[in-house]
Amino acid sequence: AQKITQTQPGMFVQEKEAVTLDCTYDTSDQSYGLFWYKQPSSGEMIFLIYQGSYDEQNATEGRYSLNFQKARKSANLVISASQLGDSAMYFCAMRGTNTGNQFYFGTGTSLTVIP
Amino acid sequence: GAVVSQHPSWVICKSGTSVKIECRSLDFQATTMFWYRQFPKQSLMLMATSNEGSKATYEQGVEKDKFLINHASLTLSTLTVTSAHPEDSSFYICSARPPQRGYNEQFFGPGTRLTVL
Repeated sequence: AQKITQTQPGMFVQEKEAVTLDCTYDTSDQSYGLFWYKQPSSGEMIFLIYQGSYDEQNATEGRYSLNFQKARKSANLVISASQLGDSAMYFCAMRGTNTGNQFYFGTGTSLTVIP
Repeated sequence: GAVVSQHPSWVICKSGTSVKIECRSLDFQATTMFWYRQFPKQSLMLMATSNEGSKATYEQGVEKDKFLINHASLTLSTLTVTSAHPEDSSFYICSARPPQRGYNEQFFGPGTRLTVL
């Protein structure tokens, strides 16, 4: 079974500062993918970044980077130079190869960027 | 990127009626689509996997007779909430994976907000 844990229900960050959103996971799959999505108040799910379980380097996409620590089963999202538009819900998700490739989501972290 | 649409974007219905929600992949064919439900301030919960030309696969605890899924074509999956009740009020989101893009990309529709009075 897949399990995604996000322990921070809410986070605040000052504009232009960096923030780390935590995500830990549990899976028995050898091969899996980890994702981060942003959900603004409009409800749409916006893909941010992907990390494969066999990728040796941490993924980066612009201001987003994923701090992947496989032994600790963590996949934290780092947002650098926060902007007001970054205020949203952020979900960590996992896709496992032995579960029909469905996506399973964490409970989410609400990020508020303070001017 | 690939585009997934949902219709309607919001719907209000009376208790006991049925509501159909459509999920379309606009610029690609999707043999598999996924349906999620999201209650306010909660996470997305996978309800079922919709397979073109075959029966949907439901997650544990999801009533297949209440949430009817039909994936009749490679670009359209429908979710029908039968005999809706207020507790079915939720945000329903579908997603689809373009097969040529591999397993690592999944595109979400904008969601449908259902309110049952």
